Amino acid sequence: KNEVEQSPQNLTAQEGEFITINCSYSVGISALHWLQQHPGGGIVSLFMLSSGKKKHGRLIATINIQEKHSSLHITASHPRDSAVYICAASQTGGGADGLTFGKGTHLIIQP
Amino acid sequence: NAGVTQTPKFRVLKTGQSMTLLCAQDMNHEYMYWYRQDPGMGLRLIHYSVGEGTTAKGEVPDGYNVSRLKKQNFLLGLESAAPSQTSVYFCASSFSSTGQYYGYTFGSGTRLTVV
Repeated sequence: KNEVEQSPQNLTAQEGEFITINCSYSVGISALHWLQQHPGGGIVSLFMLSSGKKKHGRLIATINIQEKHSSLHITASHPRDSAVYICAASQTGGGADGLTFGKGTHLIIQP
Repeated sequence: NAGVTQTPKFRVLKTGQSMTLLCAQDMNHEYMYWYRQDPGMGLRLIHYSVGEGTTAKGEVPDGYNVSRLKKQNFLLGLESAAPSQTSVYFCASSFSSTGQYYGYTFGSGTRLTVV
């Protein structure tokens, strides 16, 4: 069973700061997902990556397959980025048998 | 463009009662999942389905049953609710095509309290 660990569990930063959230997993995977859970509870998929780096707006996700580690970066952070960020791993090539989730990082961006 | 719709959004059950949670997706996704989310824990997989008429157990299947009679619907049943099943339940769907796997779409969640 894959173990997915995130750090930090909680992070409070000032608006404009560069944010890094880390994720490590214990067993080789087919893909690593980053998700965002809003205060109201909804979950949105941000990235799915199996190698290298992806960028969407101010969000950047990277993965190092050899080190079994991924990072999510937020540049020029804003209070609207406040949310829980969750990483999750899929084992199979098609991802059909579900994801193993980390416990999440609770991010608060203060104005 | 509804995506994944879960009903109901909230429910309070008495111990021993039964209920069914409905998940409907309009994206023609092959794969559907039920997860539960509890404080201090990551989401955990209850059951999943890789296609119409097929279901499989996830990490925490005990006390739950599922059915997928139509491709767009995935039902989660609690036959005899227990306080330990108090949780927030999320449905999700995804698909793969020609060997490419695409990411997840989640429903908005069902908050279930068993008293």
